[in-house]
Amino acid sequence: QSVLTQPPSVSGAPGQRVTISCTGSSSNIGAGYDVHWYQQLPGTAPKLLIYANNNRPSGVPDRFSGSKSGPSASLAITGLQAADEGDYYCQSHDSSLGDSEFGGGTKLTVL
Amino acid sequence: EVQLVESGGGLVQPGRSLRLSCAASGFGFDAYAMHWVRQAPGKGLEWVSGIFWNGISTGYAASLKGRFTISRDNAKNSLFLQMNSLRPEDTALYFCAKDRYAEYSSSSAFDLWGQGTMVTVSS
Repeated sequence: QSVLTQPPSVSGAPGQRVTISCTGSSSNIGAGYDVHWYQQLPGTAPKLLIYANNNRPSGVPDRFSGSKSGPSASLAITGLQAADEGDYYCQSHDSSLGDSEFGGGTKLTVL
Repeated sequence: EVQLVESGGGLVQPGRSLRLSCAASGFGFDAYAMHWVRQAPGKGLEWVSGIFWNGISTGYAASLKGRFTISRDNAKNSLFLQMNSLRPEDTALYFCAKDRYAEYSSSSAFDLWGQGTMVTVSS
């Protein structure tokens, strides 16, 4: 059971906007630690999508954005495309466990 | 080409050992911290271990209880994971991942991943 809670699944139609939440606690996100987001398309390795809460690595479209507030963070995807289908993971440091933790992952389905 | 290529996975009996390797190319390997992250079949990601750019400091997931050892050889652009006393629950795809910084920290994010090497622990 992860200390970072994500919804198991989200879905949206092409062109729509979806958000994926990542809820933590006072020992991780709520303590001010950075949140990062990864995209894992079927059969591939994870890819860094957002780092340090709201920063996009070079090459990541601005359709992807991140935010953080209190003990939670969110990933927003606008202009949904079929190619966005896959699993999305949040990641942050947890001071109680003393290591880096991933959320359980959210499966995005484009209807 | 900027890439990480893992090797060394396979089928191993419970209690035995295995050593994974990760070959880096296309970037200054000796300037970055490196990590191992695993993914059990059909499950999510789990951070396993990290090491500073110079190998001076290492860190491990508490759940490993000292069974794994991470190391690196900057002269050979290589990262390693020695896994001892393997258990069935260690069965996973093991990814090598590059940190954005030289020293892993509470802000570590992984900006380059290999394709993984599969480890299956079974009798």
